[in-house]
Amino acid sequence: SQTIHQWPATLVQPVGSPLSLECTVEGTSNPNLYWYRQAAGRGLQLLFYSVGIGQISSEVPQNLSASRPQDRQFILSSKKLLLSDSGFYLCAWSSAGGEKLFFGSGTQLSVL
Amino acid sequence: GESVGLHLPTLSVQEGDNSIINCAYSNSASDYFIWYKQESGKGPQFIIDIRSNMDKRQGQRVTVLLNKTVKHLSLQIAATQPGDSAVYFCADRFGAALIFGKGTTLSVSS
Repeated sequence: SQTIHQWPATLVQPVGSPLSLECTVEGTSNPNLYWYRQAAGRGLQLLFYSVGIGQISSEVPQNLSASRPQDRQFILSSKKLLLSDSGFYLCAWSSAGGEKLFFGSGTQLSVL
Repeated sequence: GESVGLHLPTLSVQEGDNSIINCAYSNSASDYFIWYKQESGKGPQFIIDIRSNMDKRQGQRVTVLLNKTVKHLSLQIAATQPGDSAVYFCADRFGAALIFGKGTTLSVSS
């Protein structure tokens, strides 16, 4: 069966520090991979998605970037965090050409 | 991009009642819709989906209704239980991604 791993579960970072959140998927090949952000009490905002290694689509211009160095690995990064980067970050996958997204357990990021 | 929204941010019901959560979408070309349930501090979980060539689909205790004429989607939960308390999101497909609405918080009291 397919599983998605996202870590860490919580993270507290100072303003101006770098960020690296990692997500991996097991049990499937060539998945579509996604990063969403959820501000407190708000909906899910699509940040990035990838349909293959090295292929990244950015939905919202911002202080973040994404990379897909391996088929089942998706990384969210920032060189210098801003206060406004605080939020709940969710990684998700779907099968290639699929529709349903399966979400990880999320990372609660607090930038202080 | 696509805009998907819900009519009410909160809904409170008594245990055993039926719940109806509504959603409106703006893209008339959307061909796929989906509902998720999110409990506090967790990732969203799939509930049910529907394609645009259908107007109704049923699952276990849940039914999704799609009205393409008025671009409206609803989730009906039968015999609501305390464990149904969560935030519910609708989403529609936009290219390779899902675009989510803001969510409705369902509170079930015993």
